[in-house]
Amino acid sequence: SQTIHQWPATLVQPVGSPLSLECTVEGTSNPNLYWYRQAAGRGLQLLFYSVGIGQISSEVPQNLSASRPQDRQFILSSKKLLLSDSGFYLCAWSGTNSGANVLTFGAGSRLTVL
Amino acid sequence: DAKTTQPNSMESNEEEPVHLPCNHSTISGTDYIHWYRQLPSQGPEYVIHGLTSNVNNRMASLAIAEDRKSSTLILHRATLRDAAVYYCILEGGTSYGKLTFGQGTILTVHP
Repeated sequence: SQTIHQWPATLVQPVGSPLSLECTVEGTSNPNLYWYRQAAGRGLQLLFYSVGIGQISSEVPQNLSASRPQDRQFILSSKKLLLSDSGFYLCAWSGTNSGANVLTFGAGSRLTVL
Repeated sequence: DAKTTQPNSMESNEEEPVHLPCNHSTISGTDYIHWYRQLPSQGPEYVIHGLTSNVNNRMASLAIAEDRKSSTLILHRATLRDAAVYYCILEGGTSYGKLTFGQGTILTVHP
């Protein structure tokens, strides 16, 4: 069966520090991968998605970047964190078959920037 | 992209059925209707999806209007564990594979 792992679960970072969140998927190949962010009390916002290694699409301009160095690995990064980067970050994957894309989400990474 | 409209909140009693409505009047012919739910401090969880016909699975049922401009998620017997934010989402066209989550409906279940 397929599983998705996301870490770290929580982190507290000072403004201006770098960030790296990692997500890996097991039990499938060539998944579509997604990074979402949820600010406190708000809905989910799609940040990045990827349909293959090295293929990253950004949905919103921001202080963050994403990379996909391996088929089932998706990394969210920042060189210098801002206070507004605080939030709940969720990685998700879906299959690439034709038809509906059902997303499976990880447990999330809660980031607090102080 | 087509959008959805859901009530901000709904309440139910435990072991009673719950009907969560969703309007999507601008849906296109190839848009799928998805439902996800999110428990506090967790990632969203897939519930069900459909295209034209009503759908059933172990978690819920999805009733789709004949003109597809609205749908209803049905929880047959609500439990306290069903208390969550429920999102109704359309997928298709340029949004293929990229789901846009709105504010959803906060479901409160009373014991």
